[in-house]
Amino acid sequence: NAGVTQTPKFQVLKTGQSMTLQCAQDMNHEYMSWYRQDPGMGLRLIHYSVGAGITDQGEVPNGYNVSRSTTEDFPLRLLSAAPSQTSVYFCASRETGTANTGELFFGEGSRLTVL
Amino acid sequence: AQSVTQLGSHVSVSEGALVLLRCNYSSSVPPYLFWYVQYPNQGLQLLLKYTSAATLVKGINGFEAEFKKSETSFHLTKPSAHMSDAAEYFCAVSATNDYKLSFGAGTTVTVRA
Repeated sequence: NAGVTQTPKFQVLKTGQSMTLQCAQDMNHEYMSWYRQDPGMGLRLIHYSVGAGITDQGEVPNGYNVSRSTTEDFPLRLLSAAPSQTSVYFCASRETGTANTGELFFGEGSRLTVL
Repeated sequence: AQSVTQLGSHVSVSEGALVLLRCNYSSSVPPYLFWYVQYPNQGLQLLLKYTSAATLVKGINGFEAEFKKSETSFHLTKPSAHMSDAAEYFCAVSATNDYKLSFGAGTTVTVRA
């Protein structure tokens, strides 16, 4: 069982470059989300989606774009990377509706450094 | 809106001693509460969760937590620490009518031999 798969695991960018962090899940979860983890700040929600074609902003959306064309995939795009976006990024998914137990299932993370 | 406060960013315990990690939450509606653990260079793994059933919740690896509505707390305990418990622990809350999960800042546990 793959669960939530994130790629790449590590990435170094220069300021102003763009890139996409990929996230795929094989659990047929309608809800998917992106968090960033920074020391002393826990995990902060960037964007989330409750189904294909539906996305919404979280706590720290600026500088990031998302789309949800399929149930399985939820890519996170950085259009013009800034050093403040140096962080570890986690994708997570969960059930919705009556199957929702509240539990989020996490990927292993993508460590991004912006120089 | 929901929020979580974890008291103490670092906790150091001796092997075999009690582990106590404190979490207080704020929620305008009945909450779901969670504890996650993160080992170095890994993703987050669910330890246990409270979803309005029993107030004392048992999780994996000998951890348990008690939901106290009057104190708005959900403290995590383990009677006897093991070296393998060294990790970062996150408390999280979501509203029962919402999908978003809000995390605390995390508590790093070190275990002394």
